[in-house]
Amino acid sequence: DTEVTQTPKHLVMGMTNKKSLKCEQHMGHRAMYWYKQKAKKPPELMFVYSYEKLSINESVPSRFSPECPNSSLLNLHLHALQPEDSALYLCASSQVGQAVGGYTFGSGTRLTVV
Amino acid sequence: AQSVTQLGSHVSVSEGALVLLRCNYSSSVPPYLFWYVQYPNQGLQLLLKYTSAATLVKGINGFEAEFKKSETSFHLTKPSAHMSDAAEYFCAVSDRGNYGQNFVFGPGTRLSVLP
Repeated sequence: DTEVTQTPKHLVMGMTNKKSLKCEQHMGHRAMYWYKQKAKKPPELMFVYSYEKLSINESVPSRFSPECPNSSLLNLHLHALQPEDSALYLCASSQVGQAVGGYTFGSGTRLTVV
Repeated sequence: AQSVTQLGSHVSVSEGALVLLRCNYSSSVPPYLFWYVQYPNQGLQLLLKYTSAATLVKGINGFEAEFKKSETSFHLTKPSAHMSDAAEYFCAVSDRGNYGQNFVFGPGTRLSVLP
């Protein structure tokens, strides 16, 4: 299995809602990532998990809360988002400590905040 | 710190013509280099990667790239463009043994293929 699966594919939420994005991989990767991508821009790193522990938080606002319940799952909990948070949210995974394999990306969740 | 530049935010070619997408990098250590493709409303798919084996790297969908240390370049080519190649292409660099913060994307090049 060489895929990273993200659900849902599309999400529309109000600014007072609470929602979660889910990411799952079964490649044995122990590093998982959340990226945010705005239109016509490269992905921007948000969070990095290594061995299920948060290792990098790129100064992301607290309205985004990541969680890694086990080595295969990565969640991103959303609360009180702003319209400017509308973007494509990408999950990725890789081997830990070795960039040689590159990252495997999911198809993303298209988030619209209204 | 590493960085990536991609010359040309938008490249248009005719179907059947040569595709050349440019990538130059800056890295204080020998890098790993990657090309990713992104189709509309999709995630990123790895096209090919350079990890210090052969300098000419072949990838999927007929693409290849050549690592030139003297020019700090890793340009992506395909001999004959197909309509299905229309997408956004990102070059990325990572220093060896690291990940996360040290995996840097270029700004991207949008490839259009004209009939």
